[in-house]
Amino acid sequence: AQSVAQPEDQVNVAEGNPLTVKCTYSVSGNPYLFWYVQYPNRGLQFLLKYITGDNLVKGSYGFEAEFNKSQTSFHLKKPSALVSDSALYFCAVRDPGSNYQLIWGAGTKLIIKP
Amino acid sequence: EAQVTQNPRYLITVTGKKLTVTCSQNMNHEYMSWYRQDPGLGLRQIYYSMNVEVTDKGDVPEGYKVSRKEKRNFPLILESPSPNQTSLYFCASSLQTSTDTQYFGPGTRLTVL
Repeated sequence: AQSVAQPEDQVNVAEGNPLTVKCTYSVSGNPYLFWYVQYPNRGLQFLLKYITGDNLVKGSYGFEAEFNKSQTSFHLKKPSALVSDSALYFCAVRDPGSNYQLIWGAGTKLIIKP
Repeated sequence: EAQVTQNPRYLITVTGKKLTVTCSQNMNHEYMSWYRQDPGLGLRQIYYSMNVEVTDKGDVPEGYKVSRKEKRNFPLILESPSPNQTSLYFCASSLQTSTDTQYFGPGTRLTVL
């Protein structure tokens, strides 16, 4: 079965430090991978996606993600965290078995401490 | 301003009382979708629509109905709500498919007593 996992419910990082939010996936065929962010009391916002090409994808707000096919991972990264990055982050993958709809991870709460 | 709007934002109702959550987008998007968000479960798709008069079930369609009579509107109907439908609901739209950037509404928090 196709799936996406975010192994950490919460990640705590000090402001100015690098951050990583992890995502692993299991899907048949070439994966289409996505990161979305949800700020408190808001809808989700698109950050970035990988479909093909360069394994390092750059997105909004200084975030980037690295596609690693051998490890079936798509971790979200940022070199220097800001307090305003505190939010809920969702990884998603396109599922060919569900008529190419997205399946979503459970979300990782990112807390950046001043 | 390009946006997806949902109404109401908050709703408390009782078991069995029919309700409709409206969703409207002003971006001329073909694709629209409804999700529910529950703690620890992430987002789960309820229904989606690729175009006017075309709707399909997502992962958790039971107890829900949708319609897409106009491109801009995609209402979610709960004909007989039950407490297990208490959740945070999001409508989203994108240009054509699920893999185009999805724009989400602000959410509707529904409580069914």
